[in-house]
Parts: sequence; structure tokens; C-alpha cells
Amino acid sequence: KAGVTQTPRYLIKTRGQQVTLSCSPISGHRSVSWYQQTPGQGLQFLFEYFSETQRNKGNFPGRFSGRQFSNSRSEMNVSTLELGDSALYLCASSSGQGFYEQYFGPGTRLTVT
Amino acid sequence: KQEVTQIPAALSVPEGENLVLNCSFTDSAIYNLQWFRQDPGKGLTSLLLIQSSQREQTSGRLNASLDKSSGRSTLYIAASQPGDSATYLCAVEDSGYSTLTFGKGTMLLVSP
Repeated sequence: KAGVTQTPRYLIKTRGQQVTLSCSPISGHRSVSWYQQTPGQGLQFLFEYFSETQRNKGNFPGRFSGRQFSNSRSEMNVSTLELGDSALYLCASSSGQGFYEQYFGPGTRLTVT
Repeated sequence: KQEVTQIPAALSVPEGENLVLNCSFTDSAIYNLQWFRQDPGKGLTSLLLIQSSQREQTSGRLNASLDKSSGRSTLYIAASQPGDSATYLCAVEDSGYSTLTFGKGTMLLVSP
């Protein structure tokens, strides 16, 4: 079974631009969650989608948004990039129930200059 | 609001030692607790998942325990090897919506 894939793996953007990151979950998984990892704050939850619906959202500004498609693939968008958005963005997939294991992708390293 | 704490923040041991990593959480109403490993600049690898009704899980040289009432979990690594060097993260799921709250991790260095 293929694992969670994320594209692109690396991105360099300029402050003020916008960016879209993509995540393909494990086949059969209907839940995709997104996390931001920085050295100072650690891993922080952004949002979770299940069957194209956002079920949960973390404490991030509205510049961060996401969506999920009918094939469970998910995209995350960050508009008006700030230097502080530089981070490793990780997505995780699971069956969607709270009791089950989550599997993470390799991440997208975003650098904002 | 759930808070997860991991102690110690860093640990350096010689090869062959048995070691224990600690994780504590403030709200005991959790669905599960998961231990991950992260190599520098990489994604997370799931090591063990303990569901709320379980007390422990084992995989190879790894054993994780869960005490929900006291809000604690430990990860025991037997006969450590240099390849075990990584950051170990503890995370709890308490929303039912596949949302994890992470600790800051323990950075482990195993020297040959």
C-alpha cells in the first residue's frame, strides 16, 4: 500500500505571495489532517477534513485554508505569506475515526523570504 | 485545552542502554495516544498506538505504557542502538476528529 504523499517537497516563496500544498492520503483513508512544524512552536494542528468536510480547525489565521476532494486528496493554501509561515507542513491520513492510527507524509518544507 | 509535556527534552546514552522517555497530558479524556519518531528534516514515523482502553503496546524493542488516570505514558527502548537516534514525539487524540496534540519531543542520541 502506498504511503501518504505530499507535493512539492520544497518551496521557496516571497513574502506576500500565496502557496498551495497537496496531500494524497493512503488509499481508503477518508481523513486528512494538516500540521505546521516550527522549531519554536513544535507541531501545531491546522485543520482536518473528512469526506470533503472540514470537521476541526486549529488556531490559525484565515490566511490558512484547505479543501478536500472527492478522491480524499487534500490541498492547503496560504495567502499573503509572512516570514513566520516558514515551516515544515505535514499532512496525515487516517480512517477518520478517533481511535485509529494516523500516518504522516514526508512534509513540504516552505521557506518564505 | 489539552497540553502534552515530554521529559527529558534531550537524552544522550551509550549504545546498549535501556531507556525510558516520558510523556504527560493534562486531560485524561483521550481516544488514544501515539508515539512517533522523526529523523531530522523528515516526516513522522508511527511507532506505537495505544487506544484508551489499553494499558500497553509492544513492537520489537519498544514498549509503550498508558496510565490514563494519571495522564502519563512512557516509551521504553531496550538495548538502544545508534540507529535509534532521532526525536521521539508523543501525541494524544482527544477530539474524535483525528486531531493530535503533540508534545515538543525528546531528542535522543545513542553513541556507538
